[in-house]
Amino acid sequence: AQKVTQAQTEISVVEKEDVTLDCVYETRDTTYYLFWYKQPPSGELVFLIRRNSFDEQNEISGRYSWNFQKSTSSFNFTITASQVVDSAVYFCALSTSGTYKYIFGTGTRLKVLA
Amino acid sequence: SQTIHQWPATLVQPVGSPLSLECTVEGTSNPNLYWYRQAAGRGLQLLFYSVGIGQISSEVPQNLSASRPQDRQFILSSKKLLLSDSGFYLCAWTLGLAGAYNEQFFGPGTRLTVL
Repeated sequence: AQKVTQAQTEISVVEKEDVTLDCVYETRDTTYYLFWYKQPPSGELVFLIRRNSFDEQNEISGRYSWNFQKSTSSFNFTITASQVVDSAVYFCALSTSGTYKYIFGTGTRLKVLA
Repeated sequence: SQTIHQWPATLVQPVGSPLSLECTVEGTSNPNLYWYRQAAGRGLQLLFYSVGIGQISSEVPQNLSASRPQDRQFILSSKKLLLSDSGFYLCAWTLGLAGAYNEQFFGPGTRLTVL
């Protein structure tokens, strides 16, 4: 069975601090895809990144970076120098080949305080 | 470019009343379409998905149903709403002709309150 665990329910940081959001996944498939989405207070989920299981290269996009480690089944998301606009709920998701379904974690609410 | 619309944005309905939420996608063909529900402060629950016109897969055996009368239109319905149907309903699409390989794009959502 597939599963995504985001153990951190809520995190509060002060602006300019770095913060890492954890994501641990479970799947027996060798081909799978991992995603991160941001849900700001407006409610609409915004796609951030997609990773396939054959690409373990870490990725950096501005202040955002992602660390994919198959050995620990983790796909963690780090925000460097956090800003108030980063306040949102962040979801990690998993999909596997041969299915049309996406498995979402329960989300981590990030509060960045000014 | 592709856009996804949902309406209404908010809805307050009495228990036992019917429901119809609509989602349409522009700028793409043969999308895979999804309905999710998010209870207050909770994660996303997949309700239905569709990989083609008239093709509906149900994940939740409750009083909700979905239909896809046109390629880029996805409708969520209920004949009689329950209090537990309250929540934030999100429609999403992905590129079709494949499995769940691609990222999903979400609509703005409908906030439903059942009283």
